[in-house]
Amino acid sequence: GAVVSQHPSWVICKSGTSVKIECRSLDFQATTMFWYRQFPKQSLMLMATSNEGSKATYEQGVEKDKFLINHASLTLSTLTVTSAHPEDSSFYICRPEAGSYNEQFFGPGTRLTVL
Amino acid sequence: AQSVAQPEDQVNVAEGNPLTVKCTYSVSGNPYLFWYVQYPNRGLQFLLKYITGDNLVKGSYGFEAEFNKSQTSFHLKKPSALVSDSALYFCAVRDNTDKLIFGTGTRLQVFP
Repeated sequence: GAVVSQHPSWVICKSGTSVKIECRSLDFQATTMFWYRQFPKQSLMLMATSNEGSKATYEQGVEKDKFLINHASLTLSTLTVTSAHPEDSSFYICRPEAGSYNEQFFGPGTRLTVL
Repeated sequence: AQSVAQPEDQVNVAEGNPLTVKCTYSVSGNPYLFWYVQYPNRGLQFLLKYITGDNLVKGSYGFEAEFNKSQTSFHLKKPSALVSDSALYFCAVRDNTDKLIFGTGTRLQVFP
């Protein structure tokens, strides 16, 4: 099956710093990237959707200036949490999709802890 | 709006016994339904999906799910549970904007 990687897998940072999370689809071209956030013992919540070369579309309640998404190539998308605060501590998961109806592949997730 | 509901926060089952994890859906039009499993601090792993066709869908690791249109359900099943099946299970539906909408998750605990 397709391989999706996320880096880093775990990051701890101080409040006020910015953190960049990378998501790579290693053997297929991701025309669309979905970013999810999962709080402890909760379900996945979609944050934003991005198409390669276009600006991301954010879900209601997600601050686009705080969660910067770049999808500059078909194999790499980044999520940058700017000026992180403790309430941003969460598990962030990407899901690349090549074309329509390809729901099988998720990244392994990045656990962000903001002190 | 499309949605799925997982009525059980946790399901406990003895190893070797059959297991069922429940999911009901609410959609307009034909449902595209999915099951995923999540182990601690890991991303989601795809188990199976229903798009059309046979109501009994077979998936990975011996899991299967039955699509029941009259009951609007898509319960996940396995004939004989393993301790290693203990994990968090999510049901999901693809909505009419092609986004995946997830249920709240059900924690499966299989006891030896």
